[in-house]
Amino acid sequence: DARVTQTPRDKVTEMGQEVTMRCQPILGHNTVFWYRQTMMQGLELLAYFRNRAPLDDSGMPKDRFSAEMPDATLATLKIQPSEPRDSAVYFCASGKGQGGTEAFFGQGTRLTVV
Amino acid sequence: QKEVEQNSGPLSVPEGAIASLNCTYSDRGSQSFFWYRQYSGKSPELIMSIYSNGDKEDGRFTAQLNKASQYVSLLIRDSQPSDSATYLCAVLSSNTGKLIFGQGTTLQVKP
Repeated sequence: DARVTQTPRDKVTEMGQEVTMRCQPILGHNTVFWYRQTMMQGLELLAYFRNRAPLDDSGMPKDRFSAEMPDATLATLKIQPSEPRDSAVYFCASGKGQGGTEAFFGQGTRLTVV
Repeated sequence: QKEVEQNSGPLSVPEGAIASLNCTYSDRGSQSFFWYRQYSGKSPELIMSIYSNGDKEDGRFTAQLNKASQYVSLLIRDSQPSDSATYLCAVLSSNTGKLIFGQGTTLQVKP
């Protein structure tokens, strides 16, 4: 059963700490999206990769967020330093191909910064 | 203007009725359109994709696309209480490759 795997599922951290979220895309998928979901803003696109290359990260606060894809089986989203306003659910989604790119979501990481 | 717009609802329909969910988008060059369903506390789940003008049917679901009007809709026939969820419209920009979501419409199906 192919699926996107995200870790951790839940994370509570103190303001100022570094947070790293991980995503394993579905095998064979070449596109990875990172989203943040809050009640107020809905699903916001933070960054996305195709064939491991970052294509757009304009949705991310540049000073504290970074996204990387060190290999085809791992994408990471890092926040340093974290702030209470970063509290949200972070989703990773993967897809394949250039045209349609049906994207499939992981279970998400619920981040709480206190 | 938001890139993808949906009425947040809630949309309430009785069990067995047809639910109609609507979405408009601003990027005229978009070619791929998707509907996702999200239950409370869960991740979005892809339920329909549509790429050409017209209707596409899958079981009780029908997606409709009108590129000239920049309009996408989802019809759910014979609505069931288990269909109660938030429905997200997503549009893939052919220029940027970004997959952009609307705010979602909350559907409530009352027994």
